[in-house]
Amino acid sequence: ELQLVDSGGGLVQPGGSLRLSCAASGFTFKTYGMHWIRQAPGKGLEWISYINGTANIKYYADSVKGRFSISRDNAKNSMYLQMNSLRAEDTAVYYCARDFGCGGACEANWFFDLWGRGTLVTVSS
Amino acid sequence: ENVLTQSPGTLSLSPGERATLSCRASQTVSSTFFAWYQLKPGQAPRLLIHGVSSRATGIPDRFSGSGSATDFTLTISRLEPEDFAVYYCQQYAGSPLTFGGGTKVEIK
Repeated sequence: ELQLVDSGGGLVQPGGSLRLSCAASGFTFKTYGMHWIRQAPGKGLEWISYINGTANIKYYADSVKGRFSISRDNAKNSMYLQMNSLRAEDTAVYYCARDFGCGGACEANWFFDLWGRGTLVTVSS
Repeated sequence: ENVLTQSPGTLSLSPGERATLSCRASQTVSSTFFAWYQLKPGQAPRLLIHGVSSRATGIPDRFSGSGSATDFTLTISRLEPEDFAVYYCQQYAGSPLTFGGGTKVEIK
């Protein structure tokens, strides 16, 4: 079945760390770029990070640069988001999402054709 | 940053009615780098439209997208019960890519 399952969310204190995971199935994972996108309570969606299929290209939103790190393990069909120095404003539902892709003709298409259900991260003391 | 403003914030309609959702960009969106998504609580978001007007795989033809430059529209020709949800627009022409604030389509 074609799906993404995101996990790893929870309650963490300000300044703490958390690692999110995204397990992919039903498609050739290594051929797709992947993203993390979040939605804070009562707010809209915010793109936060991208990693290409071979993990040699990574991008981050300014709001998380230097604190979050994206990675992937193609042998395990999984992607990760290591979140350090967490702040209250990082509280959100975090979604992993697949880039639409372009069959190698471009770096990424920058829109998302498959999403996980999301995992909630709450940063609070 | 290209700010996307969606209107109305909430649309109250009955099944069978037509829904027209608007998204206005603060800067021109070059080419056709524009998408729409549907979000329901507890479910994975779903891509509806990309390239302004191309329906994603499996999306019924009652969903259509149109627009250019700074004004974009998602139209649902006849609302089905499963269409009541929150809809987000997205531009991916500029960096950073940005989303609108959402329009909730609720049952009247």
